[in-house]
Amino acid sequence: DTEVTQTPKHLVMGMTNKKSLKCEQHMGHRAMYWYKQKAKKPPELMFVYSYEKLSINESVPSRFSPECPNSSLLNLHLHALQPEDSALYLCASSQVQLAGARSYNEQFFGPGTRLTVL
Amino acid sequence: QKEVEQNSGPLSVPEGAIASLNCTYSDRGSQSFFWYRQYSGKSPELIMFIYSNGDKEDGRFTAQLNKASQYVSLLIRDSQPSDSATYLCAVRASGGSYIPTFGRGTSLIVHP
Repeated sequence: DTEVTQTPKHLVMGMTNKKSLKCEQHMGHRAMYWYKQKAKKPPELMFVYSYEKLSINESVPSRFSPECPNSSLLNLHLHALQPEDSALYLCASSQVQLAGARSYNEQFFGPGTRLTVL
Repeated sequence: QKEVEQNSGPLSVPEGAIASLNCTYSDRGSQSFFWYRQYSGKSPELIMFIYSNGDKEDGRFTAQLNKASQYVSLLIRDSQPSDSATYLCAVRASGGSYIPTFGRGTSLIVHP
């Protein structure tokens, strides 16, 4: 199974709402990622979890709060978002590469959540 | 700053032609190289990866890697209108990092 699932597919929220995005994978991957993608731009890395621990936060505003409850699940909690946060939010997973080991470490992406902030 | 460069395009080719997409990278120690296809409004889909110098073929797709010149390319033979998409190059750098850096993508249009 090489599938990463994300829910919901679409989300419309007001600036005062609290919502969560969910991501799940069953490939045994121990690295999970959140990306934000605007139209005609490449994916922009937000957070990386490695072995369920937050390893990278790319200076993301605190209105985005990630959570990794277990090795298969990744959440992104949203609160007090701004209209400019409207984007496609992508979850991805991969193996964790050890330094010097030969591995492709390809990332598998979920279908994304299209977020609109009003 | 590790950089991955792609021409944003659009690259327009006629149906049945070979489409050639190029990507250059700045980190000479880069280890692994990936090509993703992304249709408008959809998520990136991995189509090829390559590790060693030379060519790797999979169906109509061929990835070519030249580490000395620090470029990786993707050739699509017998291009079809369904190949019209943005192609993202991603490079996993040296130093044990498992996180790839993405180029900005090349838009490919295959016209009938």
